[in-house]
Amino acid sequence: NAGVTQTPKFRVLKTGQSMTLLCAQDMNHEYMYWYRQDPGMGLRLIHYSVGEGTTAKGEVPDGYNVSRLKKQNFLLGLESAAPSQTSVYFCASGRGGGGSYEQYFGPGTRLTVT
Amino acid sequence: QKEVEQDPGPLSVPEGAIVSLNCTYSNSAFQYFMWYRQYSRKGPELLMYTYSSGNKEDGRFTAQVDKSSKYISLFIRDSQPSDSATYLCAPTGNFNKFYFGSGTKLNVKP
Repeated sequence: NAGVTQTPKFRVLKTGQSMTLLCAQDMNHEYMYWYRQDPGMGLRLIHYSVGEGTTAKGEVPDGYNVSRLKKQNFLLGLESAAPSQTSVYFCASGRGGGGSYEQYFGPGTRLTVT
Repeated sequence: QKEVEQDPGPLSVPEGAIVSLNCTYSNSAFQYFMWYRQYSRKGPELLMYTYSSGNKEDGRFTAQVDKSSKYISLFIRDSQPSDSATYLCAPTGNFNKFYFGSGTKLNVKP
């Protein structure tokens, strides 16, 4: 099992450009999450999904959109990148039930917006 | 007020020391308390979790929750250089939203 994978690993964008980050999981998890991690700020939830075809806003959703067309994939889009979106982005998945609160994280995508 | 507060460190200790890592939280609805470990340039991984108040031990690691004071602790006995990482506390009350502390960076010197 690959667990949670993220594509790409690194990216540099110019202000105003767009991109999509792809997250894939092979554990048949219902719940998927996108976080950003900034120095001194910890992990902050951007958007999450409780199942295929559903999405919801997290703590810092502005400037991002998401889609979950297939259960195993969760896409994070930046329509018009800004320097404030320079960060490390982590995707996570979880069963979301049966008393299991564990989240499984991907390796991260390092994004720089100039 | 932040949902979770955690001392960022860094914390530097000699090998074999007992380490105490702590968080405070503000939401009394939190019932599950998780500790994640994150090595440099890697994603976090779950170390252990507790439910409600009390202690839980797993090898050299002990997690402690005091809901009355909204205080979470992680103790590491006989610390090893391989324990050098950033430790994140993450309390939650449901599957939808997890609040992570900013993380404490630990360095265990050989």
